[in-house]
Amino acid sequence: KAGVTQTPRYLIKTRGQQVTLSCSPISGHRSVSWYQQTPGQGLQFLFEYFSETQRNKGNFPGRFSGRQFSNSRSEMNVSTLELGDSALYLCASSLAKARAGGLVNEQFFGPGTRLTVL
Amino acid sequence: DAKTTQPNSMESNEEEPVHLPCNHSTISGTDYIHWYRQLPSQGPEYVIHGLTSNVNNRMASLAIAEDRKSSTLILHRATLRDAAVYYCILRDEAGGTSYGKLTFGQGTILTVHP
Repeated sequence: KAGVTQTPRYLIKTRGQQVTLSCSPISGHRSVSWYQQTPGQGLQFLFEYFSETQRNKGNFPGRFSGRQFSNSRSEMNVSTLELGDSALYLCASSLAKARAGGLVNEQFFGPGTRLTVL
Repeated sequence: DAKTTQPNSMESNEEEPVHLPCNHSTISGTDYIHWYRQLPSQGPEYVIHGLTSNVNNRMASLAIAEDRKSSTLILHRATLRDAAVYYCILRDEAGGTSYGKLTFGQGTILTVHP
């Protein structure tokens, strides 16, 4: 089974521009989550989409947005880029449902998109 | 989300067991204990999870204290490939709407010496 894929893997933008990152989840997974990883703040949750609806949201400004399509693929958008947005953006997918015998629902992470803002 | 406390770093020798501790004194009854690890230049990967009882899988074992205020991830025979940052995470699974959210702390950097 193919893993989570993210495109592009590397991106360089300048301040003020906007960027769109893409994530394709594992087949059958309905939940897609996005995380930002920086050396200073570590891994921080951005938001989660489930069945095309945002279900959970982290503490990020409105410049960060996302969406999910009917095939569960997801995109996140960052508008008016700032230098501090330079980070590794990770996408994760999961089944997001209980299984008999207990909840598993582990998240499977992609390799990330490295965004550099100049 | 309940907070976890882990040592910043630990070291081990190859083929020796490693015990990675995690304190979570404010854990609630519906919090599951999850462990993920992040190998260099990769996204995090799931290791193991548990609620009350000790758990074993092909990667590791999870020992949970009786009062659930602490847990220990056990790697039975460390290999060089186990060098990573290990994250202990609590996830509230009451209501079933938080499956997609993980709150990461700083984690423990594990160094494995040959």
